[in-house]
Amino acid sequence: ETGVTQSPTHLIKTRGQQVTLRCSSQSGHNTVSWYQQALGQGPQFIFQYYREEENGRGNFPPRFSGLQFPNYSSELNVNALELDDSALYLCASSPTGLAGGRRETQYFGPGTRLLVL
Amino acid sequence: GNSVTQMEGPVTLSEEAFLTINCTYTATGYPSLFWYVQYPGEGLQLLLKATKADDKGSNKGFEATYRKETTSFHLEKGSVQVSDSAVYFCALINSGGSNYKLTFGKGTLLTVNP
Repeated sequence: ETGVTQSPTHLIKTRGQQVTLRCSSQSGHNTVSWYQQALGQGPQFIFQYYREEENGRGNFPPRFSGLQFPNYSSELNVNALELDDSALYLCASSPTGLAGGRRETQYFGPGTRLLVL
Repeated sequence: GNSVTQMEGPVTLSEEAFLTINCTYTATGYPSLFWYVQYPGEGLQLLLKATKADDKGSNKGFEATYRKETTSFHLEKGSVQVSDSAVYFCALINSGGSNYKLTFGKGTLLTVNP
């Protein structure tokens, strides 16, 4: 049990729609990262937030965006959904961010499985 | 850039067999290394980690040693159980520059039969 929760657990959307996925980090963890895991693949880094600011981004288009809130919750928003967005979306929290925190262990939530039809 | 290469699966073993899953990495600087496990239908759980060369991570009978000279972090267990059936991911976080993301291998599916 990592103390990281995500909602919803499953979601079905159609192409072109927008979706918001939610994550609640462990208390005191001020860094949250989001990953996309396609079927049969390893997770791919989407972006990271530290103290409510984006702290780096992977190779994902701008229609993937996020927010982090002071209460250790965060959101991943995806606009104009495409079929290839179907995947398991994982959030991970860690206790520190920029200063000396780069090797901190990341603790994952159970994920949200998104299906785009 | 950073990359992780794992042995391809699936790996099928009988209960009490010895397990090795190979993992090698490419990275600048001094990465921390991790093994995560994913049970069917679930998220990722941290299995073990090592933060510097020659460190050995261990948990639940699994072990892996950070070998800088061979850039490897192979996962081993002396006697697997049916409950170990899962997908295992090797990953790294780099300690230098602006690298703060986990870079994962593609995963290795382990099936343990009774």
